[in-house]
Amino acid sequence: AQSVAQPEDQVNVAEGNPLTVKCTYSVSGNPYLFWYVQYPNRGLQFLLKYITGDNLVKGSYGFEAEFNKSQTSFHLKKPSALVSDSALYFCAVRDNAGNNRKLIWGLGTSLAVNP
Amino acid sequence: DGGITQSPKYLFRKEGQNVTLSCEQNLNHDAMYWYRQDPGQGLRLIYYSQIVNDFQKGDIAEGYSVSREKKESFPLTVTSAQKNPTAFYLCASSGSGTGGHPSTDTQYFGPGTRLTVL
Repeated sequence: AQSVAQPEDQVNVAEGNPLTVKCTYSVSGNPYLFWYVQYPNRGLQFLLKYITGDNLVKGSYGFEAEFNKSQTSFHLKKPSALVSDSALYFCAVRDNAGNNRKLIWGLGTSLAVNP
Repeated sequence: DGGITQSPKYLFRKEGQNVTLSCEQNLNHDAMYWYRQDPGQGLRLIYYSQIVNDFQKGDIAEGYSVSREKKESFPLTVTSAQKNPTAFYLCASSGSGTGGHPSTDTQYFGPGTRLTVL
């Protein structure tokens, strides 16, 4: 079965330190992977995606993610965290089981950046 | 200004009443989606539509209905049959692209509607 896992419910990091939010996936065929961010009581904002090509993908707000095929992971990273990065982060993978363009979502990771 | 709008932002409903949530997009996207978000449960797909006049049930369609009469609009009705409708509802859309280019899978979200049943 196709799935996405975000193994950490919450990540805490000090401002200025690097941050990593983890995501692993299981999908048939080529993985199309996405990261979104959600601020309280708001819709999700697209951060970045991996479709093909370079394993290191750069996105909005200084975020990047590294695709690792052997480990089936797509961890979100940022070299220096800001307090304003505190939010809920979702990883998603395209559902390759049918021609329907649905996304399969992780349960989210709450990131808290402490000043 | 292109984007997806949802209205209202907050909605209160009495038990036994149907209520309709609005979702409009001017991105010229073919596909539209409705999700329900509850604390700790992530996003759950209610319905999706890949093209006008067509829609498919998602994972939790019971107690909900949709229509897709126009490309720009995908309203969601929460019926009295939905046993626990209090939640945050999110609408999204994605583009059709050409030649099956996978970049069309990127979903863009509206600001959400918070529904509370009194």
